[in-house]
Amino acid sequence: QVQLVESGGGLVEPGGSLRLSCATSGFTFSDSYMTWIRQTPGKGLEWLSHISGSGSIKHSADSLKGRFTISRDNARDSVYLQMNSLRVEDTAVYYCARGGWTNDYWGQGTLVTVSS
Amino acid sequence: DIVMTQTPLSLHVALGQPASISCRSSQSLVYSDGNTYLSWLQQRPGQPPRLLIEKISNRFSGVPDRFSGSGAGTDFTLKISRVEAEDVAVYYCMQSAQLPRTFGQGTKVEIK
Repeated sequence: QVQLVESGGGLVEPGGSLRLSCATSGFTFSDSYMTWIRQTPGKGLEWLSHISGSGSIKHSADSLKGRFTISRDNARDSVYLQMNSLRVEDTAVYYCARGGWTNDYWGQGTLVTVSS
Repeated sequence: DIVMTQTPLSLHVALGQPASISCRSSQSLVYSDGNTYLSWLQQRPGQPPRLLIEKISNRFSGVPDRFSGSGAGTDFTLKISRVEAEDVAVYYCMQSAQLPRTFGQGTKVEIK
C-alpha cells in the first residue's frame, strides 16, 4: 500500500534552517509528482511546492520568497524540503502528498516549531 | 491567487440526516486539459487530510458512496447523504487548476 512518512521536523530558532524528508513506498515514485503542504491553526492549509517525477519541473509559492527548496532522490524514493531563514510564522505541520494536481495520498505530517 | 470560499464554516447534523457543504472559487477551475480540478478533503480530529473526491465528483478509492460531489465552473457542493459518527471532521475544498493551489477555510461537521 502507498505510504508516505515525513521526518525532520522539530524546534528551530528564527533564522535557522531545517530539511524535511518524506520517504515513500508502495508506488512508482519516479512516475509521480510530489507536493509539500503545510497547516497552521491560523492560515489553514497552504500549498508550498511541488516537483515532477524526474525533478525537472518545480513550482513553489511566491509567498516563500525563495526560502524553501523542494528536491527529490528517485533512488531513495524520497522527496525533501529545505527550509532556510525560518520565521515564527513558518510554525506548522508539514505534509508531503503524492500528486501534482490531485493529491491522493498524504503523510502523517511533521511538526516544525520556530521559536527562540 | 484563486480564492476558495466555503459555506457554512460549521454544521451540526443529526445522525442519519443529510449534510451539504458549498465551495465557490473566484475563478473557473477548468484546466487546459478540459478537467476541472476541484477536490474535497476530509480531516478527522488528529489525522492528516484524506482525499474524498477529485475532479468535482469522482470518489477516491475506499470512500463510502454516501459522499458525493457536484458542480461546475466556480460553484461546487459536497453532500453526505446520511451522516454517520465517523464523518465528524473538517472538510476542505481544494483547487488544482492554477498555481498556487489553494484551499477553502474548512467546514467543521459535528453531530447534533
